[in-house]
Amino acid sequence: DTAVSQTPKYLVTQMGNDKSIKCEQNLGHDTMYWYKQDSKKFLKIMFSYNNKELIINETVPNRFSPKSPDKAHLNLHINSLELGDSAVYFCASSHYQGPEAFFGQGTRLTVV
Amino acid sequence: AQTVTQSQPEMSVQEAETVTLSCTYDTSESDYYLFWYKQPPSRQMILVIRQEAYKQQNATENRFSVNFQKAAKSFSLKISDSQLGDAAMYFCAYRRGNYGQNFVFGPGTRLSVLP
Repeated sequence: DTAVSQTPKYLVTQMGNDKSIKCEQNLGHDTMYWYKQDSKKFLKIMFSYNNKELIINETVPNRFSPKSPDKAHLNLHINSLELGDSAVYFCASSHYQGPEAFFGQGTRLTVV
Repeated sequence: AQTVTQSQPEMSVQEAETVTLSCTYDTSESDYYLFWYKQPPSRQMILVIRQEAYKQQNATENRFSVNFQKAAKSFSLKISDSQLGDAAMYFCAYRRGNYGQNFVFGPGTRLSVLP
């Protein structure tokens, strides 16, 4: 059983398109995250949700919109994709009080 | 803001030997957690080891152990009896102890294991 599952694993799309990445966890966690890993492997927090409520919203273009229909799911929708959005996007989950996070396998987004 | 620094972009170790990866962090908090995550070429982020700041005893998980120096804000990872499967990016991460805090990652160290 995959604990944190993201779909798709790979996404190639043209500039200007809109795309979504889905994430689901079956660990019973109440907090979920989106991280972006750039070409230099640097990981940076984008958003965090606790029980469907947004609790962390870093400086991210408003073309990125997370949605959490329930505490086991966190999706990321990206409008008007740009070349600079190319990266690996990781979903993760944890208990609100911590401590560790478990990560999905990542989605490699390539914008051409 | 908390920062995490890994001063070794790349390291290499001979198979069966021991290697230590360095990590320092900056925080004014007293309650926090530190982690080492491994990212092999498969891209999956795998938790290697965790340390609670309030614990003086260094964490150990099989061949992996840490040297946690709270006053110096240092958190190094020692890998003993290195195996080919240990080759990966290793990320040091920090999380405040308050509820709902995100994880702050260092820039990573790429470890190569030589046969």
